[in-house]
Amino acid sequence: SQKIEQNSEALNIQEGKTATLTCNYTNYSPAYLQWYRQDPGRGPVFLLLIRENEKEKRKERLKVTFDTTLKQSLFHITASQPADSATYLCALEAGGSYIPTFGRGTSLIVHP
Amino acid sequence: NAGVTQTPKFQVLKTGQSMTLQCAQDMNHEYMSWYRQDPGMGLRLIHYSVGAGITDQGEVPNGYNVSRSTTEDFPLRLLSAAPSQTSVYFCASGYGTANTGELFFGEGSRLTVL
Repeated sequence: SQKIEQNSEALNIQEGKTATLTCNYTNYSPAYLQWYRQDPGRGPVFLLLIRENEKEKRKERLKVTFDTTLKQSLFHITASQPADSATYLCALEAGGSYIPTFGRGTSLIVHP
Repeated sequence: NAGVTQTPKFQVLKTGQSMTLQCAQDMNHEYMSWYRQDPGMGLRLIHYSVGAGITDQGEVPNGYNVSRSTTEDFPLRLLSAAPSQTSVYFCASGYGTANTGELFFGEGSRLTVL
């Protein structure tokens, strides 16, 4: 069966460090993968999209990698700030449908 | 620019009651969808639509109906609410193409069924 796995344990890091979140998947051949940020009581907000033929994508302090051989995406936030504390969701498009399926998300807590 | 607007933000129902969650978008998106989010379960797709007059079921459609009579609106109907439908509901819209798979979400509707 298809699975999207994100670490259910919260990631705690110190301000200024790089946060790295992982998204693993099985039995998918996604054309693209997305990352979203969700704050408590709010809807998810789109951050980045990376396509299957792209290895890496950057946006300001954010970097996403996509390894279709390992079936894994890494999401990095450099020089993290307490304001980066939120839950981060990865989403994969399944089989040409353009309809993303979401992972359960990982909570990031950045300590001052 | 309002984006995706959901109403109501909060609702309490008794078992067996019916209600409609409203969703409207002003971005001329063809694709619209409804998700529910429960603790530890992530976002699960209920129903989606790829254009006016077209709807389809997602992962957890039972107990919910949808219709898409206009591009802008995509209401979600609960015909006979059950406690298992207590959840936070999110409406999302997007262009629905491989070029821009980004989804725009509403702020959510928190539903409690007693």
